[in-house]
Amino acid sequence: AQSVTQPDIHITVSEGASLELRCNYSYGATPYLFWYVQSPGQGLQLLLKYFSGDTLVQGIKGFEAEFKRSQSSFNLRKPSVHWSDAAEYFCAQQGGSGGGADGLTFGKGTHLIIQP
Amino acid sequence: GAVVSQHPSRVICKSGTSVKIECRSLDFQATTMFWYRQFPKKSLMLMATSNEGSKATYEQGVEKDKFLINHASLTLSTLTVTSAHPEDSSFYICSARVQGKNEQFFGPGTRLTVL
Repeated sequence: AQSVTQPDIHITVSEGASLELRCNYSYGATPYLFWYVQSPGQGLQLLLKYFSGDTLVQGIKGFEAEFKRSQSSFNLRKPSVHWSDAAEYFCAQQGGSGGGADGLTFGKGTHLIIQP
Repeated sequence: GAVVSQHPSRVICKSGTSVKIECRSLDFQATTMFWYRQFPKKSLMLMATSNEGSKATYEQGVEKDKFLINHASLTLSTLTVTSAHPEDSSFYICSARVQGKNEQFFGPGTRLTVL
């Protein structure tokens, strides 16, 4: 079964500082990978996705992610965080554990705290 | 575009009753819809995949008789939690996908509390 690992449960970053959220996937020669953000009381919003091609993917809100096959990683980055970036971030890979091949397998999430 | 709604947003019910949650794609036709469950401080877990007009495909460990899924039209899927118990209390989120595309659009979720 597929698994997605986000090693950091919480990350605290000062406003204006750079950010990197880690994600490792476990399966697939050509994985479909996603980063989502979930704010309290809001639904999941897609930040960016990787299917193929350029391994550096640009997303919304100034986020980018780099796919590294050799490390099975898809880390999310932002050069300068804003207080409004405080939220829960989920990395996901397409493919469920059972029959739902097109469903998403999510990591456990990283809670981002922004310090003033 | 690509808006998915869920109703209700919150529901509280007594143990033993059944609860139906609706998931609608408002401005597109969704040939496939997915149901996820999110526990507090935990990740989302895929429960099942439903394709319009056919039976849902359930993930390992998900009781299909407990969580009934119907996808009767291209814009509506329903999840019915039958004979709900307190351990079924959770946040249920649906997503919808346009045929031929890989991106899923998520609903805002439904908070179920079983007393």
